[in-house]
Amino acid sequence: NAGVTQTPKFQVLKTGQSMTLQCAQDMNHNSMYWYRQDPGMGLRLIYYSASEGTTDKGEVPNGYNVSRLNKREFSLRLESAAPSQTSVYFCASSGTGDYGYTFGSGTRLTVV
Amino acid sequence: GQQLNQSPQSMFIQEGEDVSMNCTSSSIFNTWLWYKQDPGEGPVLLIALYKAGELTSNGRLTAQFGITRKDSFLNISASIPSDVGIYFCAGRGGGSNYKLTFGKGTLLTVNP
Repeated sequence: NAGVTQTPKFQVLKTGQSMTLQCAQDMNHNSMYWYRQDPGMGLRLIYYSASEGTTDKGEVPNGYNVSRLNKREFSLRLESAAPSQTSVYFCASSGTGDYGYTFGSGTRLTVV
Repeated sequence: GQQLNQSPQSMFIQEGEDVSMNCTSSSIFNTWLWYKQDPGEGPVLLIALYKAGELTSNGRLTAQFGITRKDSFLNISASIPSDVGIYFCAGRGGGSNYKLTFGKGTLLTVNP
């Protein structure tokens, strides 16, 4: 089915470990986004990519890096995981003139 | 930056009751959207509104784009257990600002 695919669905990390969250979309969308969702905080934008080759910081970028590998793929990297990064991470994409975002099903990350 | 105030934060209702929730902004938006997030899933677009005063329905859901362009309302009629989830409003400003600003969500619980 067309949409946004995120991997992995679940991950447990030890403090200080690194990992990359993968996201791919097959809708030919130009823009992609990474959000984190915490109880009572709603969706907070970490990084976004307006188009292939560009990335920009969102509201809560500290501790994260991103790579827009090509038009389809946008990855989120945690270089040295901290317990404060325990969260549910969502990737989303949107197309030109398309006002809505399509979200992936999320990655539930726990840092111990 | 732009902020959205979404209320109520949570609602606990009986099956069959009608539900209302709203979002207000300190700045004008050109687009309002309403999303629903089922437990364990990513948000899914319910309704998009593109014009001040617009009233749009999607089944038992009705949403309105406020005349001032600073607010939006979502109503759910005759609630059913599968309406359970988190409802998010989102707004977009004009020009090249394609990014959405999200409210913090309304958690809806429906008691059968």
